[in-house]
Amino acid sequence: RKEVEQDPGPFNVPEGATVAFNCTYSNSASQSFFWYRQDCRKEPKLLMSVYSSGNEDGRFTAQLNRASQYISLLIRDSKLSDSATYLCVPTASGGSYIPTFGRGTSLIVHP
Amino acid sequence: SQTIHQWPATLVQPVGSPLSLECTVEGTSNPNLYWYRQAAGRGLQLLFYSVGIGQISSEVPQNLSASRPQDRQFILSSKKLLLSDSGFYLCAWSVLGGQETQYFGPGTRLLVL
Repeated sequence: RKEVEQDPGPFNVPEGATVAFNCTYSNSASQSFFWYRQDCRKEPKLLMSVYSSGNEDGRFTAQLNRASQYISLLIRDSKLSDSATYLCVPTASGGSYIPTFGRGTSLIVHP
Repeated sequence: SQTIHQWPATLVQPVGSPLSLECTVEGTSNPNLYWYRQAAGRGLQLLFYSVGIGQISSEVPQNLSASRPQDRQFILSSKKLLLSDSGFYLCAWSVLGGQETQYFGPGTRLLVL
């Protein structure tokens, strides 16, 4: 099983739609989780951090299910500017310095 | 505030030529530093990481090498580039091991011809 698995998509949704992505991870000792956003031909940028069961920031909600080892990202009222690739990152545990990036889920929001 | 710089932004090199990409971080001390490569349409592949000056860990066997001559400087090098070295090279830093957020530089887009 891969360390991090994400549906590559693309998810094609109209403006105003609600869309959710899931990410599963294999390392049960992972403690911190992040969602990054990467625009085409740009560097990834932090979108949200998840340290406990979940986090909400405006239209974005991240939830963590440790028992099932997945993290989700929910985007409400999608905007055209939300079009990007969303990368899931459960961080390393046990003193390791190596975060593991998923391959990302592509989101396309159309008018 | 912290900033991270990478240069050059774009590079076109012939096969067999050497490579040197530089990354510097400002506004923080003793950062953990990382080099990633992203091939077109692919995910991020960790190449090297460093927890201190002169300390380099390699994740994937490559014809690439990395050095950290100063606390906030990270250099990616190659003696002879291969076609397969083409990609988007990203430098990143973090404060505490793998538990904290990573901040990425703007990247260098390398095309080997």
